[in-house]
Amino acid sequence: AQSVTQPDIHITVSEGASLELRCNYSYGATPYLFWYVQSPGQGLQLLLKYFSGDTLVQGIKGFEAEFKRSQSSFNLRKPSVHWSDAAEYFCAVGATDSGGGADGLTFGKGTHLIIQP
Amino acid sequence: ETGVTQTPRHLVMGMTNKKSLKCEQHLGHNAMYWYKQSAKKPLELMFVYNFKEQTENNSVPSRFSPECPNSSHLFLHLHTLQPEDSALYLCASSQDTQGSGNTIYFGEGSWLTVV
Repeated sequence: AQSVTQPDIHITVSEGASLELRCNYSYGATPYLFWYVQSPGQGLQLLLKYFSGDTLVQGIKGFEAEFKRSQSSFNLRKPSVHWSDAAEYFCAVGATDSGGGADGLTFGKGTHLIIQP
Repeated sequence: ETGVTQTPRHLVMGMTNKKSLKCEQHLGHNAMYWYKQSAKKPLELMFVYNFKEQTENNSVPSRFSPECPNSSHLFLHLHTLQPEDSALYLCASSQDTQGSGNTIYFGEGSWLTVV
């Protein structure tokens, strides 16, 4: 079955600074990869996803993520954060048609992003 | 607005009560999910339904009883819960459970407090 590790529980970034949130996955084949964001008291919103092709994917709100097969990573980046980006960020992995694995998505524990003024 | 609607948004229940959480998706998806999100714990997948059939039950206690009458509706029936069951319960849906159609769309969640 697939698994996801988000090594950073909390990250503090100054407003206007760049951001990188780390995500590592474990899966027997090239997986489908996702980043979700959760604002306080809300459900999870899809930021971006990687299925195949270009390893650099663009998402909403100015976020991007890069799939690196050699490192089993899918790190999320943003060149300049805004105070409204403060939230919980979840990386997730999903099974492919031929790769097998659990149904649905497997989520990491999340990274809490704090924005300093 | 994600196309997945959950009611109620907030629920307080006693340990001897029976209540239900409801989820409806307007996306034409075939798969629906219940996730549990507790403080300081990762998202826990509870149940998966695909074409109304349950495909996964992640060792969830029997005091949680899911029901999926059709591909658009999903219920979570609750009875004799414990205080540690207090959490945010998230419903979600996707076109498929695996492969390129498994992008999951979440509802806003139902906050459950067991007293």
